Amino acid sequence: EVQLVESGGGLVQPGRSLRLSCTASGFTFGDYAMSWFRQAPGKGLEWVGFIRSKAYGGTTEYAASVKGRFTISRDDSKSIAYLQMNSLKTEDTAVYYCTRDIEYSHGIYYFDYWGQGTLVTVSS
Amino acid sequence: DIQMTQSPSSLSASVGDRVTITCRASQSISSYLNWYQQKPGKAPKLLIYAASSLQSGVPSRFSGSGSGTDFTLTISSLQPEDFATYYCQQSYSTPPATFGQGTRLEIK
Repeated sequence: EVQLVESGGGLVQPGRSLRLSCTASGFTFGDYAMSWFRQAPGKGLEWVGFIRSKAYGGTTEYAASVKGRFTISRDDSKSIAYLQMNSLKTEDTAVYYCTRDIEYSHGIYYFDYWGQGTLVTVSS
Repeated sequence: DIQMTQSPSSLSASVGDRVTITCRASQSISSYLNWYQQKPGKAPKLLIYAASSLQSGVPSRFSGSGSGTDFTLTISSLQPEDFATYYCQQSYSTPPATFGQGTRLEIK
C-alpha cells in the first residue's frame, strides 16, 4: 500500500527556517518524481515545487512565490523527500502536502497519492 | 501561467442527483486535466486523470470529459460521501501545476 507521511510542521517565527519530511512506503521511491503543495487556511491548493527522479537528473522546479527561499531534496536510500523552508513569511502559513507524481507524457505529471499534510504556522 | 476557472463555486444538491462541475482553462491544455476531491481536514484524492480516465478504486459514478479548454466532472447519482470540494488541475504547462478555485458541493 502506498503511503506518504509528512512531518516537521509547527509554529515558527517569521524569518526562521523549518524542514519538512515526506516519508514514503509501498513503492520504489527512487522511480518517481515527488511534489510539494500547500493550502492556506480556508483557501485552495497551491503547487510549491517538485523534484524529478534521479533518472531525470533529480532536478527541481519551484513556484515563483517560494523560489530562492525553499529547497526540495530527496534521499532515495531512505525513501524521504524534504522541503527546506528558509526566510519564512506569515503568508507561508498553510498545510503542506507531498505527493507521488505519475508521468503520463514526457514531462507531464499528475499526482496520484497525497500525504495527510503537516501544518506550518508562521507567526511571531 | 495557465488559469483554471471552475463553475459553479458552490452547489447544493440532494442524494441521488446528477451533478456536473465545469472547468475552463485560459488556453488549450489538450486532455491534460485532472480532478481531485477533498473532504474537510483531509488530503485531496485523485478522481480523474487525463480528462476522462478513472483512477483505480474510484466509483464509476464519477466521470470526466472534455478537451482543449472546456472540461466537466459528472457525478451520476450523488452519494452521501460525495459531499466535498472538487478541484480541477492542469498538467499541460508545468511548472507550475495550476488548480481551479474549487467547487464546494453541499447537501440540499
